[in-house]
Amino acid sequence: GENVEQHPSTLSVQEGDSAVIKCTYSDSASNYFPWYKQELGKRPQLIIDIRSNVGEKKDQRIAVTLNKTAKHFSLHITETQPEDSAVYFCAAKWTGAGSYQLTFGKGTKLSVIP
Amino acid sequence: SAVISQKPSRDICQRGTSLTIQCQVDSQVTMMFWYRQQPGQSLTLIATANQGSEATYESGFVIDKFPISRPNLTFSTLTVSNMSPEDSSIYLCSVSGRSSYNEQFFGPGTRLTVL
Repeated sequence: GENVEQHPSTLSVQEGDSAVIKCTYSDSASNYFPWYKQELGKRPQLIIDIRSNVGEKKDQRIAVTLNKTAKHFSLHITETQPEDSAVYFCAAKWTGAGSYQLTFGKGTKLSVIP
Repeated sequence: SAVISQKPSRDICQRGTSLTIQCQVDSQVTMMFWYRQQPGQSLTLIATANQGSEATYESGFVIDKFPISRPNLTFSTLTVSNMSPEDSSIYLCSVSGRSSYNEQFFGPGTRLTVL
């Protein structure tokens, strides 16, 4: 089955700096890669996703890049703000028939220091 | 995205008892899932709730311990049976829609403490 590795497990940045979280996946058939943000005591929120036919996707201060050859994808947050502090999870899945489950990474706790 | 609610939001239970968690969605969805999240950990899939048939369980989870129902396309229940302190966790319902890529959204979770 799919295996997703996520690094780093913790990340501290100064407010205004950029943060990068990296994930690698094992199943070359995976073609959908979402990122979730989970604030303390809250549910995971889908913040951005990327399909395998796209190399990069941006939404304001966040962007995700995908390298299919190397089987890794990354979340980039620019101009970080204290409200970006949360745990971020990457995930991967193959969207073909009979396969519906996301495989999650172990999470990255991001702390933005004011 | 769909509006997902869960009941109860939290509960404290005695060991040996059972708790049923409800998940209600405001629109029909294709897939419903149940996850467990232990403190500081990632999301672990318990099972996929299938409408009109038995749930599909992941390795390490069994129907006798976590019976699941899904009577229609908007509702599912997860029961945690014969609870022990090790079952203390957050239980999350998750749904995905009808699009080919199936964006997946989470309910608010049920925080369970077993004494």
